[in-house]
Amino acid sequence: QQPVQSPQAVILREGEDAVINCSSSKALYSVHWYRQKHGEAPVFLMILLKGGEQKGHEKISASFNEKKQQSSLYLTASQLSYSGTYFCGTRDSASYGKLTFGQGTILTVHP
Amino acid sequence: GAVVSQHPSRVICKSGTSVKIECRSLDFQATTMFWYRQFPKQSLMLMATSNEGSKATYEQGVEKDKFLINHASLTLSTLTVTSAHPEDSSFYICSGRYSLAKNIQYFGAGTRLSVL
Repeated sequence: QQPVQSPQAVILREGEDAVINCSSSKALYSVHWYRQKHGEAPVFLMILLKGGEQKGHEKISASFNEKKQQSSLYLTASQLSYSGTYFCGTRDSASYGKLTFGQGTILTVHP
Repeated sequence: GAVVSQHPSRVICKSGTSVKIECRSLDFQATTMFWYRQFPKQSLMLMATSNEGSKATYEQGVEKDKFLINHASLTLSTLTVTSAHPEDSSFYICSGRYSLAKNIQYFGAGTRLSVL
């Protein structure tokens, strides 16, 4: 079953912050975040493993709440280069290593 | 990050012809590669899991005779769309699994297939 991402779209001005959420009805082993620009390959951002950890990547960080089966991606002081579609990919114990991707969140950053 | 090369980036073909798409891991050995299909403004839908030296595992609803997958080496997997029809037009993306333990996947740039 596909994880649910919210919001579907976000419009920001440079320097503003955003949060993208990813929720699953299954018990998750890991959550993966990717960013895809139009017509390009999805780019790996980070992975969060079961254990409720939080990780950071430049001004982009994420958390994973194992109890809620929910992950959040935090983008702070957004830059124009952050524009794109963000996907979460989830792995559960029955997925045999496969990832199931959410429907994506379109992030647009304006000057 | 690790690099996955996908070729061609775009292909236009006539209905009834077959098209082969290559996916190569350039700086790591990918014993497992994944093939996805993506419709405009939609998510990545897994089509099949390709394991080096063995038959691919297809997701429910994916025709294995239509989408032939070969993974003959640790760095190359191919997807052949046989007897392509307009409804097969889509964006096809492959990925290589870089880390077995963490299942980190690195994606190719994708192939835009247009069937006339």
